[in-house]
Amino acid sequence: NAGVTQTPKFRVLKTGQSMTLLCAQDMNHEYMYWYRQDPGMGLRLIHYSVGEGTTAKGEVPDGYNVSRLKKQNFLLGLESAAPSQTSVYFCASSYSLRGLSGANVLTFGAGSRLTVL
Amino acid sequence: KNQVEQSPQSLIILEGKNCTLQCNYTVSPFSNLRWYKQDTGRGPVSLTIMTFSENTKSNGRYTATLDADTKQSSLHITASQLSDSASYICVVSGVDSSYKLIFGSGTRLLVRP
Repeated sequence: NAGVTQTPKFRVLKTGQSMTLLCAQDMNHEYMYWYRQDPGMGLRLIHYSVGEGTTAKGEVPDGYNVSRLKKQNFLLGLESAAPSQTSVYFCASSYSLRGLSGANVLTFGAGSRLTVL
Repeated sequence: KNQVEQSPQSLIILEGKNCTLQCNYTVSPFSNLRWYKQDTGRGPVSLTIMTFSENTKSNGRYTATLDADTKQSSLHITASQLSDSASYICVVSGVDSSYKLIFGSGTRLLVRP
């Protein structure tokens, strides 16, 4: 069971460069999320998707774009990286947003550590 | 503003000892509260999830309690093991905004032999 797989695990960028983080899940989950985790702060939602072809903004969406062309994949893009985007990025997926069926329990990937110089 | 505060920020205990981690939240209306364990370099893994009607839930040596009136939760770890060394994150979900999970900043626990 692979669960949620993120690639790459580590990346160093220069300011202004672009890159894409890939998230893949094999659990047939409808919902997928991208979070960032910074020291001393809780995880913050960047963007999320409630199904193939749909995306929505989370708490901190500026500077990021996402796409969900296939149900199992959720891509996070940085068009012009900034040092403030240095962080650890986590992808997660779940069965449902509402109710307690599966209780919206998130399955997280192992994280992608991004450094922007 | 919806917030989740955890204490202590860090904790060191000896192997075999018990410990209790605290979580206070201001999320309202409240739907459920979860505790996640995050090992270093890994993503968070769910330990327990509790609704407003549940007071206690156990998962092995982990026992979570919830007081929805005072908006407080605790995670009690019994007979700690070295593998318990991790960050423990409290996450609260509000009603009608299930995707807007509010994450605490976590308590970093170190269990020493």
